[in-house]
Amino acid sequence: NAGVMQNPRHLVRRRGQEARLRCSPMKGHSHVYWYRQLPEEGLKFMVYLQKENIIDESGMPKERFSAEFPKEGPSILRIQQVVRGDSAAYFCASSPNGNRQETQYFGPGTRLLVL
Amino acid sequence: AQSVTQPDIHITVSEGASLELRCNYSYGATPYLFWYVQSPGQGLQLLLKYFSGDTLVQGIKGFEAEFKRSQSSFNLRKPSVHWSDAAEYFCAVGATDSWGKLQFGAGTQVVVTP
Repeated sequence: NAGVMQNPRHLVRRRGQEARLRCSPMKGHSHVYWYRQLPEEGLKFMVYLQKENIIDESGMPKERFSAEFPKEGPSILRIQQVVRGDSAAYFCASSPNGNRQETQYFGPGTRLLVL
Repeated sequence: AQSVTQPDIHITVSEGASLELRCNYSYGATPYLFWYVQSPGQGLQLLLKYFSGDTLVQGIKGFEAEFKRSQSSFNLRKPSVHWSDAAEYFCAVGATDSWGKLQFGAGTQVVVTP
C-alpha cells in the first residue's frame, strides 16, 4: 500500500506565476489535509477536504490560495500570483474517515521556492 | 483558544543518554495528543498518540509519552537515544472546532552527539 504521494517534491516559481501542488492520499483514504511549514516553524493547518467537498478552510489565506479534491484524481493546492512569502514546505496528509482519533499519514512534502 | 507549546527549540544529547521532550497544551476538553518526528527533507511520521485510557503511551522506535492532565503536559521520552534519533519532533493536538485538524507546536530539534 503506497503512502501519501506528493508532487512535485521541489518547485521553483518566479513572483507572479502560479504554483500547483498535487497530493494523492493513501489508498482507501478519502480525507485530505494541507499544512504549510514556514522556515524554522511548525506546521500550520490550511485546509481539510473530503472528496468533492471543502470541510474546513479556516487556515487558508483569503486571496490567491485555493484547494480542491475532485471525485477522481489527486487533491490540488493552487497558489496564484506567488510571492516570496509563499516559499515554504507544503505537506499533505490523509486519513480514512476524518475521525479525530485517526492517524494522519503525511506525504514527503513539496518545497516551494519563489524567486 | 487552544494552543500547543514546546518550550525547547533545540536539545543536544549524547548517544546512549536519555531524552525528554516537553509539550504543554491548553485545551478545553479531553485532548487528542500526538507526537510526530520529521527527518531532514522528509515528511512527518507518527511516533505515538493518546486520546484515552492508560496515561503512559508506548510508541515506535522505543519512544513513550505520559499524559498528565494536572500539568497539561504530554512529554516524550526515550531511555537511550541512538544517532538515528536526530530529527525534529513535533507535538500536536486535535482541534476541538474541526474534525481531524491538527494544531502543531513549533518543534524541538534534537542533535545527537557521539
